[in-house]
Amino acid sequence: SYELTQPPSVSVYPGQTASITCSGDKLGNKYVCWYQQKPGQSPVLLIYEDKKRPSGIPARFSGSNSGNAATLTISGTQIVDEADYYCQAWDSSTDYVFGTGTKVTVL
Amino acid sequence: QVLLVQSGAEVRKPWASVKVSCKASGYTFTNYDINWVRQATGQGLEWMGWMNPSSGSTGYAQRFQGRVTISRDTSIGTAYMELRYLTSEDTAVYYCATVGLGAGFDLWGQGTLVTVSS
Repeated sequence: SYELTQPPSVSVYPGQTASITCSGDKLGNKYVCWYQQKPGQSPVLLIYEDKKRPSGIPARFSGSNSGNAATLTISGTQIVDEADYYCQAWDSSTDYVFGTGTKVTVL
Repeated sequence: QVLLVQSGAEVRKPWASVKVSCKASGYTFTNYDINWVRQATGQGLEWMGWMNPSSGSTGYAQRFQGRVTISRDTSIGTAYMELRYLTSEDTAVYYCATVGLGAGFDLWGQGTLVTVSS
């Protein structure tokens, strides 16, 4: 089965840039989404189709996808960005797969 | 207001079944696929399956094949997820979510805690 691997944790100071990677075989050939989940809440879609932001998502969140890895970048990280982040990929052969998740800590 | 409202928490014994509902409001129920995702305490998100509410077509993650059924009642705009032969490993929060933007899950229910305990 298809697997997506993320680092368990990422730490960042306020105002700095946080990058979260999501690795999978030929991931660049699939569409990737990113979600943010805060404790006790449902996930929120941050990025779809690798780099597009839904309405209402701040511009400090951006995404890219190439080769075997996708990246979520949080520019000018804020304290409110402390959360768990999940990547997700889809294609016709694998259906939906979520990454292992990354806990972002704002120091 | 666009919402997915799920049924309340459930407690089941091992080997029992559970059926969780997900009621859509504020949009046309048959226009968007519904997926089910679960999350054990302290763990990551796990995709279970999808359904096209218009046609009733479904697809399931391989590990749940034969144990899960996703269905709907279009007259009341509600989707259901039934999981059978429960074990303690099925203790989790179960979410429904619609597929909208670019295969992303853009609308989520509030989650339903299912506890499996003898």
